[in-house]
Formats: sequence, structure tokens, C-alpha cells
Amino acid sequence: QVQLQESGPGLVKPSQTLSLICTVSGDSISTGNYFWTWIRQYPGKGLEWIGYIYHSGSTDYNPSLKSRITMSVDTSKNQFSLKLRSVTAADTAVYYCARESYDILTAAYYGLDVWGQGTTVTVSS
Amino acid sequence: EVVLTQSPGTLSLSLGERATLSCRASRSLSTTYLAWYQQKPGQAPRLLIYGTSSRATGIPHRFSGSGSGTDFTLTISRLEPEDFAVYYCQHYGNSRSTFGQGTKVEIK
Repeated sequence: QVQLQESGPGLVKPSQTLSLICTVSGDSISTGNYFWTWIRQYPGKGLEWIGYIYHSGSTDYNPSLKSRITMSVDTSKNQFSLKLRSVTAADTAVYYCARESYDILTAAYYGLDVWGQGTTVTVSS
Repeated sequence: EVVLTQSPGTLSLSLGERATLSCRASRSLSTTYLAWYQQKPGQAPRLLIYGTSSRATGIPHRFSGSGSGTDFTLTISRLEPEDFAVYYCQHYGNSRSTFGQGTKVEIK
């Protein structure tokens, strides 16, 4: 059974960089047609897709965040990570990592089928 | 970018009743890329439906999805106590996802 676990600081100062890691257990991050995805949820409950990384390292980011985001993958540790630069209070949210299943050959989409439990990040001085 | 509008914002129903949740898109969508999620307080969202109408692994048959074009529906045939939660629709397209704002199903 695949499980995802987010880790990282719960408090980040304004203008600094938010760094989170998602550790994948139960399967290799390199197998299958999966996009390794970050999503955040604001205190008002809205969900926002941040972006994804493929095990090869290719990425796609939300255009509204693209200038501040870097995602990376470490297949040896079965982890992927998110860095969000120049944070403000508006970046305060629960951050989830998730597995998105997509068959590149057939273009079939199977949804965000595995989620981490989420980690709360507060931006405050 | 596709905008997904869910209605109603809150649905107040009794145990055993039928719940019908709507998700309307700002443009016509492929049914392949529309999914539904359930979220309970303090938990991550859980995949219910993908491809508009396919149930995810372990999801009870009382959950069903339908729709095409710009109008999609999640139906819960008979509400069980564990079904009271917030439900989100999601569209995957152009290598990115967007979510609706959610419908809360509460006990009447």
C-alpha cells in the first residue's frame, strides 16, 4: 500500500523560502505513470494545485506560482520536494503531496489517488 | 483555465436521503478528466470518482458520477453517517488541475 508523508517546518517567516519534502513508501517513485503532485488548501477550504514532478524530473507548475516554485525528485530516497520562495501570509495553508495517476500512452486519467495527511505551514514573523 | 462552479454550497439532508451535487464547468470538458473527492474534517481529500463515472478502489456503490459537456453530477443514493463531508470536483487538463469550491453535505 503506497503512502505519502509530508515533512518540513510549520512556521516560515515572510520573504523566506518554504521547503517541504514528501516521502513515498510502499512503492518506488520511479514506477508507473504517476505525477508526484503538490496541492495546498487555504484556511477558507479552497484547494489549489501547485504543480507536479515526474520521476524523470520533468515538471509543470501552476502559472500563478511558477516564478516562485522549484520542485525536485530524489529517486534514491524515494522523495520529492517543493520550494516556494518569497512567501507571504497568503501562502499560509495546509500543503498536501499526492500521487496523480495518468497513463501517458493512452491519455487515461485516474485522479489523485493517494494523498499525504497534509502539513500546516504558517507564514508569520 | 477551466473554472468549476459547484452547487449548492451546502446541502442539508437526512440519513437515507439521496444527495445530488452539481459541478458546472466554464467550458465543455472531456469526461475522461473529471474527478470527485470527499474530504472530512482534519483529513486529506479522498478520491471517489474518476473519469466522470468510474468509482475508485473501495468506494461504495451508493456513490455514482455522471455528466458530460459542462454539467457533471455526483449522486449519493442513500446517505450514510460517514457521508457527511465536503465534496470537491476536479478537472485535469493541459497538464494541470483545477478544483471546484466544494459542496458541504450536512445532517439536517
